[in-house]
This record gives sequence, structure tokens and C-alpha cells, in this order.
Amino acid sequence: EAGVAQSPRYKIIEKRQSVAFWCNPISGHATLYWYQQILGQGPKLLIQFQNNGVVDDSQLPKDRFSAERLKGVDSTLKIQPAKLEDSAVYLCASSLMRALNYNSPLHFGNGTRLTVT
Amino acid sequence: DAKTTQPNSMESNEEEPVHLPCNHSTISGTDYIHWYRQLPSQGPEYVIHGLTSNVNNRMASLAIAEDRKSSTLILHRATLRDAAVYYCILRDVPGTYKYIFGTGTRLKVLA
Repeated sequence: EAGVAQSPRYKIIEKRQSVAFWCNPISGHATLYWYQQILGQGPKLLIQFQNNGVVDDSQLPKDRFSAERLKGVDSTLKIQPAKLEDSAVYLCASSLMRALNYNSPLHFGNGTRLTVT
Repeated sequence: DAKTTQPNSMESNEEEPVHLPCNHSTISGTDYIHWYRQLPSQGPEYVIHGLTSNVNNRMASLAIAEDRKSSTLILHRATLRDAAVYYCILRDVPGTYKYIFGTGTRLKVLA
């Protein structure tokens, strides 16, 4: 099966600019996650979708970050305006079921590396 | 919050077994223990998971303590391709299915 696709692979922007990341999950996966991974740290969950509804966005900085998942398939994550501290890898993951307890592992894409100068 | 504690780094010689420990003293009765690993410049990949019993798959084995407050990921014969950061994770809040990645254990495999 095809994996989780993310684009672009790399992005360099100046602070205060805007940027968008795209994710195409594995076909049939109802749950989609966006993670932020700062260098040297583990991934931090930003937002979780179940189909096209938001399940959890408690860690999403809503003053500058937004995400949507139209039609319950592809998703975009946007940052506007970007800050230096937003430099990180943004990972998208999907799973069949909402809960890990149902033995449905997460499948991650390779991420988008964002550098804010 | 259900959280995990792992050593920051470990080393192993190639073709020797590796035991990666994880402490999760606040685990709830229904939390599954999951392990993921992250190779350089890639997203994390699933390794194994378990609830109470020891588990085996083609990648690794998972040994879970009887009181479930700790677990060990076992790589039976480490190869250079196993050099990665290994994460042990649990659900954050029962029922929300959110879970937290820690900083993981960076495994270095020596040729």
C-alpha cells in the first residue's frame, strides 16, 4: 500500500511569512494527525482529525496555526505568520482507527522540514 | 498523564541483542504500550505493541513486567540499520486516544 505522502519536503521562509503543508493519508484511514518535531525532541501532537472533524487541537497555537481536512481525506496545515521558533519538521500520520488500543498503528510520512530565517 | 521514561542513549555491538528499557509507572489498566522508532530523516515507524503478555514480531520482541510499570524492547540481533531513536509511548488520557512521545532512546550500533 502507498504510504502517507507529504509535500513539500523542505521549505525555507522568512519570519512573518506564511507557509502551508499538505498531507495525503493512506487510503481508508479515518484518523489523521499533525505533529511538530523540533530538533532533538520527540514529535509533539498539534492536531488530530477523525474523518473531517477535529478530535483534539489543544496543543495547536491557534493564533498562527490552522489546519483543515476537507472531505475527510487530504489535510493542510498552515502557519501565518511564521516565527523563528516554528523551525521544525512537520509530520503527518494516519491510522485506521481512532484509538491505538484497537491495535491500529500510526503510519507517518517523512515530514516537511521548515526553516524560518 | 500517563508518561514514559527512557534512557537518552544506548550503544550496542552489531549482531548482539539489545534491550531497550521503558518505565511507565502511571500506566492505566487499559493502556497499550507501543514502540516506534525513527531512522534519520524519516518519520517514526511502528515496531510493536502489547498490553500484558510478551509479544513477538519479525522486528522485535516486547517484554512487559507483571505489574506493567515497565517494559523492554528486545532487538535480537542488532544491525547497523537498527540505529535510530526508539520511542516508548502510551495514551495520554484514557478515552481521548491522545498520546505523548518523549525524547526516546538513541541507539547507536557499533560495527
